[in-house]
Amino acid sequence: DTEVTQTPKHLVMGMTNKKSLKCEQHMGHRAMYWYKQKAKKPPELMFVYSYEKLSINESVPSRFSPECPNSSLLNLHLHALQPEDSALYLCASSRADGSSGNTIYFGEGSWLTVV
Amino acid sequence: GQQLNQSPQSMFIQEGEDVSMNCTSSSIFNTWLWYKQDPGEGPVLLIALYKAGELTSNGRLTAQFGITRKDSFLNISASIPSDVGIYFCAGRPIQGAQKLVFGQGTRLTINP
Repeated sequence: DTEVTQTPKHLVMGMTNKKSLKCEQHMGHRAMYWYKQKAKKPPELMFVYSYEKLSINESVPSRFSPECPNSSLLNLHLHALQPEDSALYLCASSRADGSSGNTIYFGEGSWLTVV
Repeated sequence: GQQLNQSPQSMFIQEGEDVSMNCTSSSIFNTWLWYKQDPGEGPVLLIALYKAGELTSNGRLTAQFGITRKDSFLNISASIPSDVGIYFCAGRPIQGAQKLVFGQGTRLTINP
């Protein structure tokens, strides 16, 4: 069983809605990630937080707004999304020291449908 | 950007057969990870490899970190129906280690 927990499992939202995806891990990891995955494609990195600070933003549109309230929690705030943003959103975590042995663990994902 | 070439893209096999898939890169990686993903679920880590030449097993799964640090393979022995899914390799580059580089996936289908 994954130790990275994501909620909700499924989300349907309109293009004018504001919603949030939530992620929690209790492995003591200090790096947390958001990935986006389209059908039959590998995950694509969106954001990385290291020690609760945003360290990587892969040129993600501002309608996606990440937040890391503490070392165990990661949120992704969604506003004014487009239908093409419909995808599986994956949260992941790892140790933050960048050394070998730094394995990334994924949550089960949140299925987002924008209508 | 860095890319991983994962092959084959898909496999159709009979239950009980062995499976082999691999990933190659033009760049050096310091970690290789193999994940399995079922429909509607997140990737589940199968095997992690941290040293060149390392050979690691997890039940019927065996994976190796290539000596050149540019490739890795995953073998599954005596396949069973629950092995169906998409298998992804992923590498941690030496520069920018927080950015995993993924292969395109191998879709495994098993005929009972």
